[in-house]
Amino acid sequence: EADIYQTPRYLVIGTGKKITLECSQTMGHDKMYWYQQDPGMELHLIHYSYGVNSTEKGDLSSESTVSRIRTEHFPLTLESARPSHTSQYLCASSEWKQGAFGTDTQYFGPGTRLTVL
Amino acid sequence: KQEVTQIPAALSVPEGENLVLNCSFTDSAIYNLQWFRQDPGKGLTSLLLIQSSQREQTSGRLNASLDKSSGRSTLYIAASQPGDSATYLCAVNRDDKIIFGKGTRLHILP
Repeated sequence: EADIYQTPRYLVIGTGKKITLECSQTMGHDKMYWYQQDPGMELHLIHYSYGVNSTEKGDLSSESTVSRIRTEHFPLTLESARPSHTSQYLCASSEWKQGAFGTDTQYFGPGTRLTVL
Repeated sequence: KQEVTQIPAALSVPEGENLVLNCSFTDSAIYNLQWFRQDPGKGLTSLLLIQSSQREQTSGRLNASLDKSSGRSTLYIAASQPGDSATYLCAVNRDDKIIFGKGTRLHILP
């Protein structure tokens, strides 16, 4: 079972602040993801990565950015937080093998609940 | 565009009953379908993953089926327990596009 960590778990911050949400996994998974989830709504993929130095945008347009300098670390940054960014952010990872489509179970972190005042 | 629908949106049943949660998707060209459990304020826990070539997967009291041609999957929970209360999400995977349904909120009455 994957161990995947997110910090902080809860964050309340004022408009205009720069924030970074941390995500780390200890299983050596190549693929990592960031999802955004509003209460009672479905998850939307906002960013993903195939491995070091790889970042891709997901289906939902987001003002956030991500980086992947190390395999285990996939931080998400908001340069200037706004109330519209208030949401839960979930990080996930999977053991992606090129060509082995359909076999990658996703493992999720506990999420960061962000409130921007 | 792939859309994933889960019915019902919420369900309350007495403890001990068997129940079925439904998931439908509009594009049958998928790599896999995954069922997750989400407890309030927490992340998701993977329950079962069915590859596109498979028809069903079982884990303990859970059984998930997949009918790709009709765009349907069901999650069967046998002998429900209060600890099964959670939101159950299904997600389909194709070309790195993972699309989630809104989930079914399940409440098992003691």
